[in-house]
Amino acid sequence: DSGVTQTPKHLITATGQRVTLRCSPRSGDLSVYWYQQSLDQGLQFLIQYYNGEERAKGNILERFSAQQFPDLHSELNLSSLELGDSALYFCASSAQGWTEAFFGQGTRLTVV
Amino acid sequence: QQQVKQSPQSLIVQKGGISIINCAYENTAFDYFPWYQQFPGKGPALLIAIRPDVSEKKEGRFTISFNKSAKQFSLHIMDSQPGDSATYFCAASKETGGFKTIFGAGTRLFVKA
Repeated sequence: DSGVTQTPKHLITATGQRVTLRCSPRSGDLSVYWYQQSLDQGLQFLIQYYNGEERAKGNILERFSAQQFPDLHSELNLSSLELGDSALYFCASSAQGWTEAFFGQGTRLTVV
Repeated sequence: QQQVKQSPQSLIVQKGGISIINCAYENTAFDYFPWYQQFPGKGPALLIAIRPDVSEKKEGRFTISFNKSAKQFSLHIMDSQPGDSATYFCAASKETGGFKTIFGAGTRLFVKA
């Protein structure tokens, strides 16, 4: 158990809908990273938050947004969902830099 | 400049054999190169990592070889076991953060008993 908790584990929703994925980082970790893993794309970096502030941005679609709350948990919001958004979404957390980053078990999103 | 190229895409090795996975990066600003192991239904887990000031790091049956001038690094799994069957990802990052960690596309390893 990495100590990073993601909910829900599985999510099935229809095209056009909006979902929220939640990530609770390890105790004491200030950084949260979101990654998308699809079969043909590998692990794609979406966004990083550090202590509530956006720190780095990757290939995150405009339909997607994220935030980190004062208790350091983070949420990834995906809207106007398309079939191609079906993927595993992972969050990772670390105290500061990447060297001690740990991944959660992921949320499997299926858009039908 | 932000790519990490990983090969092969898949690998089948006999039990007891050596598994070798290769990665190449482009951006010389990276200074931390981890390898992750992922089992089905699980998140990637850190396996071993290296910094560019050393050419090799060994932890048990896992060894990273690093060639800074060629901007390449590889993972060697000695005495491969069926329990090693998983997907392996290399990555490139910056130790101090503030830099996105880039992952290779992954290698699916199957170790035949």
